[in-house]
Amino acid sequence: DAGVTQSPTHLIKTRGQQVTLRCSPKSGHDTVSWYQQALGQGPQFIFQYYEEEERQRGNFPDRFSGHQFPNYSSELNVNALLLGDSALYLCASSLRTGDLMGTEAFFGQGTRLTVV
Amino acid sequence: DQQVKQNSPSLSVQEGRISILNCDYTNSMFDYFLWYKKYPAEGPTFLISISSIKDKNEDGRFTVFLNKSAKHLSLHIVPSQPGDSAVYFCAASVAGKSTFGDGTTLTVKP
Repeated sequence: DAGVTQSPTHLIKTRGQQVTLRCSPKSGHDTVSWYQQALGQGPQFIFQYYEEEERQRGNFPDRFSGHQFPNYSSELNVNALLLGDSALYLCASSLRTGDLMGTEAFFGQGTRLTVV
Repeated sequence: DQQVKQNSPSLSVQEGRISILNCDYTNSMFDYFLWYKKYPAEGPTFLISISSIKDKNEDGRFTVFLNKSAKHLSLHIVPSQPGDSAVYFCAASVAGKSTFGDGTTLTVKP
């Protein structure tokens, strides 16, 4: 059983470009969350998708957008890249069961994005 | 405004002794607390969690304590093993949204 898989593992982009990161959740999971982790800091919540809709959003600008597909996989898109967007982007999947929102999340290895 | 704080960036303990990692939070609406462990080049791995209605949860060598009045939680690892050396993140959750601390690097010396 594959866990959470993210692609690509590393990426270098130029300022102003756009980037798309991909995530396949753990089998059986229906909820995908995206996090940005800067060096020396903890993961910061970007947004969460469930039933193909954005359900929760952190304090990130509209340049950050996402999508969830019917098979529960997800994409994170970042437009007009800034140098400060350089970070490790983590995808986490979980199973949403009613109101039980605090279930543990399974993380992928992340995508290391470098903006030059 | 950092809602979840891990004030010790690093901790070093001897193998076999107890490791205590601490975490403070400010938002009283958090209803679930989790600890994750992260090895280099890997994503965080879930370790243990506790609901806000409990004050203790134990799983093998790992115990999490929650003190709601102090808005403080701690992770105890007994006995500590060299393989426990990693970065430990505390996270607090409300309505499915998790807020992470900046992590504590634990080093367990043989």
